[in-house]
Amino acid sequence: DAKTTQPTSMDCAEGRAANLPCNHSTISGNEYVYWYRQIHSQGPQYIIHGLKNNETNEMASLIITEDRKSSTLILPHATLRDTAVYYCIVRVAPFQGAQKLVFGQGTRLTINP
Amino acid sequence: GAVVSQHPSRVICKSGTSVKIECRSLDFQATTMFWYRQFPKQSLMLMATSNEGSKATYEQGVEKDKFLINHASLTLSTLTVTSAHPEDSSFYICSAQPGDQPQHFGDGTRLSIL
Repeated sequence: DAKTTQPTSMDCAEGRAANLPCNHSTISGNEYVYWYRQIHSQGPQYIIHGLKNNETNEMASLIITEDRKSSTLILPHATLRDTAVYYCIVRVAPFQGAQKLVFGQGTRLTINP
Repeated sequence: GAVVSQHPSRVICKSGTSVKIECRSLDFQATTMFWYRQFPKQSLMLMATSNEGSKATYEQGVEKDKFLINHASLTLSTLTVTSAHPEDSSFYICSAQPGDQPQHFGDGTRLSIL
């Protein structure tokens, strides 16, 4: 599995956009970029995933660079409830079957009032 | 949406006790489920892959006789921590993949061994 690199921690003001970067320079052609987050004492929550095109859903936007070596998760209007550890993971597509996810250390995002 | 449920959410027991944790897929069938362990201030570490109707696949360094996994139905996997000791205290989390959707996780089980 491709390895990902994320900043250890980030701070963002409430109401502002939170931009979380992730480097995945060794990503393979058939690997997707997934983002999960873990709020304290809960299981990880799926946020979004993408292959090469930018993606947006009700939670966030995912911007993947053209060379696919890095990506940015954007929370457009961060709230205090977005304080969590955010994990960037690269893995093959879900339609290729259930496969384990390898978690790195993630980015601890703190939203400040 | 797809939901993965874990039970219990928290358990406290004496050293030497065996503890069973259940992981259920509530609205989908899962031939494969995953068990993770998370120590304080650390990331999730995969322990094993639970396969319905066959033996689980354990990650390197995880004792299969210590952490018994049973996946007897398409909606239930159980993890039994046998003869638990204080060093087994941790946050145990399961996950499952509903069809071709991304994996969903349970809310975890916090195990404390006294």
